[in-house]
Order: sequence, then structure tokens, then C-alpha cells
Amino acid sequence: EAGVAQSPRYKIIEKRQSVAFWCNPISGHATLYWYQQILGQGPKLLIQFQNNGVVDDSQLPKDRFSAERLKGVDSTLKIQPAKLEDSAVYLCASSRGINTGELFFGEGSRLTVL
Amino acid sequence: DQQVKQNSPSLSVQEGRISILNCDYTNSMFDYFLWYKKYPAEGPTFLISISSIKDKNEDGRFTVFLNKSAKHLSLHIVPSQPGDSAVYFCAARAGTASKLTFGTGTRLQVTL
Repeated sequence: EAGVAQSPRYKIIEKRQSVAFWCNPISGHATLYWYQQILGQGPKLLIQFQNNGVVDDSQLPKDRFSAERLKGVDSTLKIQPAKLEDSAVYLCASSRGINTGELFFGEGSRLTVL
Repeated sequence: DQQVKQNSPSLSVQEGRISILNCDYTNSMFDYFLWYKKYPAEGPTFLISISSIKDKNEDGRFTVFLNKSAKHLSLHIVPSQPGDSAVYFCAARAGTASKLTFGTGTRLQVTL
């Protein structure tokens, strides 16, 4: 079974530039999550999708972050414009259903904002 | 407001001995707890979980203990192996449809 795929693995941009991250979940997993992990902290949920609908985006900074999962499969997370404090690893995860506790994570996309 | 706390940033244990990783939480609505292990440059991987109706769950070398009155859980690894060296995250959920809240992690180093 193929795991959660993310790209790019690394991205360096200057502040005020934009960046996009892509995620392809495990086949058949209806629930997709984007987490932000800042160095020295635990992962923090940014947004959760159930199929192509948003379940929870309460911690997504909507003035600069956006995410979509148009066909209920892969997803894109965008930051525009980026700030220095957005430097983090962006982790995508998926699970079979919304009630499943076990999440399967991708390797993450490390963003550095200069 | 850090609802899930891992107060020990790091832990060093000799191979073959027991590793005990601790986690405290403040939200009494949490009813499901998980441990994830993370190697460098990889995403976290699920290790073991426990429901609030239990006080112990065991899987091979890994055992999780839950003390609801103290709002405390711990992960025991016996015997510890060098391959166990990783960052361990405690996570908790309040209800089946709610998000996971993660702790800040404990870096375990198992030495030879």
C-alpha cells in the first residue's frame, strides 16, 4: 500500500512570496489533514477534510493560508503572502474515516521563509 | 494553551533497559490517546493507543498506561533498542470526530 505522498520536500522562499504544497493521501482514505509543525513544537492541525468538504479549519490563518481538495482525493495547501513565522514542516495525513484515531502521515514539506 | 504536555524534551536510556515517556493533559474531555514515533526527515508513525475506558494497553515491547484521575499517561518500552531512538509524540482526542492535539515531543536516545 503506497503511503501519503507530499511535494516538494523542501522549499525556501522570501517573505511575502507565495508557496504551494501538494498531498496525495492513501488510496481510499476519505479524511485528509494538513498539520503545521514548527521546530520544537508538536504538529498543529490547520485544516481537516472529509472527502472534499472542510470539517475543521478553525486554526487556519485564512488571511494568508488556503487549502482545497476539489475531487476528494489529492489536496493543495497555499500560503500567500508568506511570513517569517510560517517557517515549519507542513505535514499531510490521511485516515480511513473521520472517526478513526490513527492517522497516516507523509514525510512532510519543510518551508523556510527568509 | 498547551492541553497536552510532554515536560521532558529528551531522555537517554541504555539498550535493554526500560524507557518511560510521560505525558500530561488538562482537558478532561479527552477520551482517546495515541503515541506516535517520528524519525528525522520522516512523518510521524502511529505506535499505540488507549481509550479512556482502559488503564493499560500492551503491544509487544510497548505498553501505554492511563491514569485518568491524574490526567497522566505514560509509554513504557521494554527492552529498549537502538532503533527506538526517535521523537515520541503524545496525542489526544475529545470525541470521535474531534481533532488530535499533540504534545511537543520527547526525544529518546537509546545508547549501546
